[in-house]
Amino acid sequence: DTEVTQTPKHLVMGMTNKKSLKCEQHMGHRAMYWYKQKAKKPPELMFVYSYEKLSINESVPSRFSPECPNSSLLNLHLHALQPEDSALYLCASSQARTVGQPQHFGDGTRLSIL
Amino acid sequence: AQSVTQLGSHVSVSEGALVLLRCNYSSSVPPYLFWYVQYPNQGLQLLLKYTSAATLVKGINGFEAEFKKSETSFHLTKPSAHMSDAAEYFCAALGFQKLVFGTGTRLLVSP
Repeated sequence: DTEVTQTPKHLVMGMTNKKSLKCEQHMGHRAMYWYKQKAKKPPELMFVYSYEKLSINESVPSRFSPECPNSSLLNLHLHALQPEDSALYLCASSQARTVGQPQHFGDGTRLSIL
Repeated sequence: AQSVTQLGSHVSVSEGALVLLRCNYSSSVPPYLFWYVQYPNQGLQLLLKYTSAATLVKGINGFEAEFKKSETSFHLTKPSAHMSDAAEYFCAALGFQKLVFGTGTRLLVSP
């Protein structure tokens, strides 16, 4: 069982819909991440939060909007997505101030855009 | 900038045979290195990590990896493959807040 929980596991939405992906961890980690993974490819980093503040945005389109309401939760708000945004979205967390600590991943949300 | 190279997009072995998945890194400083496994329809699970404490690192499920600075390598091995080892394996190096992934190697295990 993963210690990073993502909901929903599957999401189908139209291009005009607004939806949110949720991620929760209770390991006391203070760094949290969103990745996008296309089939047969490695994960691509989208956003990094450190101590609830956005520290890295990898030039992600504004139709993806991250939010970190507290140290255990990470959301990804979706609006007006395109078909090419269909992918597996992974959340991860790690200890923030200890160098070299691994990231722990959730099982992801598989997103399909109609 | 760091980069990670995984040689072989697919590796096929028979059940009970040695597993060897190759990973080379490019870094100007000693890196933090990781191997992750991804089963179908799941996220990434940490197999093992190298953080300079020991060059031979033992992980879960019988896997281990050896850090060789002279070869800039961190190859993953398992003495005897099981059918349940069939999955995608990613080698990764840790930069500042960023994991740099290799392209992945799919391990196929035949009976």
